[in-house]
Amino acid sequence: DQQVKQNSPSLSVQEGRISILNCDYTNSMFDYFLWYKKYPAEGPTFLISISSIKDKNEDGRFTVFLNKSAKHLSLHIVPSQPGDSAVYFCAAKHGSSNTGKLIFGQGTTLQVKP
Amino acid sequence: DTEVTQTPKHLVMGMTNKKSLKCEQHMGHRAMYWYKQKAKKPPELMFVYSYEKLSINESVPSRFSPECPNSSLLNLHLHALQPEDSALYLCASSQIGRGTGELFFGEGSRLTVL
Repeated sequence: DQQVKQNSPSLSVQEGRISILNCDYTNSMFDYFLWYKKYPAEGPTFLISISSIKDKNEDGRFTVFLNKSAKHLSLHIVPSQPGDSAVYFCAAKHGSSNTGKLIFGQGTTLQVKP
Repeated sequence: DTEVTQTPKHLVMGMTNKKSLKCEQHMGHRAMYWYKQKAKKPPELMFVYSYEKLSINESVPSRFSPECPNSSLLNLHLHALQPEDSALYLCASSQIGRGTGELFFGEGSRLTVL
């Protein structure tokens, strides 16, 4: 039972354009959502998060949108750069404790072409 | 450079061997985690330690034995593993308390069981 789903295994965009990565979830109890980026031979690195009480969070070129009614979130990268090419994981947790279980999606491989 | 250090980066072992994976962090985090990631799959939580005490065990087989000797170190002892245990083992750490669940990951130890 996959509670966090990233239905697009890969995405290719041109440098300078917008990258939109999507994530769906099934558990309405999730209250925090996070995006991680992973380069080959490295561990995942935290990118941006959003609380369930918000619908948007922005950090530089990265913006995460949350649609609770649709149980959907998306990560927008504008403008995309070749260095953004990596695997992006969506993750979710419920509970206020910072050590609660984090559930990851399958990942989307983003390729940004120069 | 990651602030969570994992050794060894690669490990090959037979099914009768006993080996250990090691993880170290010096960020003052009091929560540490082991995740397992198979190819083209998301990371899956195995264990969580809070204040050096095991707080979550995701029904992991006893052939995996975690140990947290102090607040900076986390070990995963391996014994009588199966070939299907071959995977990337990721260590992570985080602060404790209310928060988004942001984890800091190491680069992982890639384990091959022959």
